[in-house]
Amino acid sequence: GQQLNQSPQSMFIQEGEDVSMNCTSSSIFNTWLWYKQDPGEGPVLLIALYKAGELTSNGRLTAQFGITRKDSFLNISASIPSDVGIYFCAPTKPSNTGKLIFGQGTTLQVKP
Amino acid sequence: GAVVSQHPSWVICKSGTSVKIECRSLDFQATTMFWYRQFPKQSLMLMATSNEGSKATYEQGVEKDKFLINHASLTLSTLTVTSAHPEDSSFYICSAPGQGYEQFFGPGTRLTVL
Repeated sequence: GQQLNQSPQSMFIQEGEDVSMNCTSSSIFNTWLWYKQDPGEGPVLLIALYKAGELTSNGRLTAQFGITRKDSFLNISASIPSDVGIYFCAPTKPSNTGKLIFGQGTTLQVKP
Repeated sequence: GAVVSQHPSWVICKSGTSVKIECRSLDFQATTMFWYRQFPKQSLMLMATSNEGSKATYEQGVEKDKFLINHASLTLSTLTVTSAHPEDSSFYICSAPGQGYEQFFGPGTRLTVL
């Protein structure tokens, strides 16, 4: 199967701190997506990466698609309380016929 | 754009009854939609792929006779949990693909089976 490992599992940080989380895989993918899920809601797309080595920003969020195409990281700078939630990586490739594989998730808690 | 809705947002039912959950793409068409299940403190697990005009394809271990999927139109897919039992209580989420490989998710449906 397509093994996917997301870490850390959870983080408890102070407001204003930077955060970093990553996903590694045993398989090569050609797309890495990062989602955020608030409690009781569906995931919301944060960043989409389509090219190996690509570095993309969305406000305070920055994500990179690893050169090996087997990993990706997401950074959040200057965290704020509304960053609280669960962050998931979800890579895919054409042979997956549109299906996404979700990482285990990183639960982020921010202390004001 | 790319808004996906689900109805109902939550439902409580008695054991043995059936429950239907709707997933709609509001401003775009989707020939394919996906259904996920999420248990507390766990990740999303893909249950099945809903295909407009043809049968759904189910992931390994998902009972197709228990989780009936109908993709009635280019904007609507339904998931019916038949003969629901307490272990079916979960958060059910649908998604529809965008232009690339990204998917847009509905807000989810919380099912509680008593």
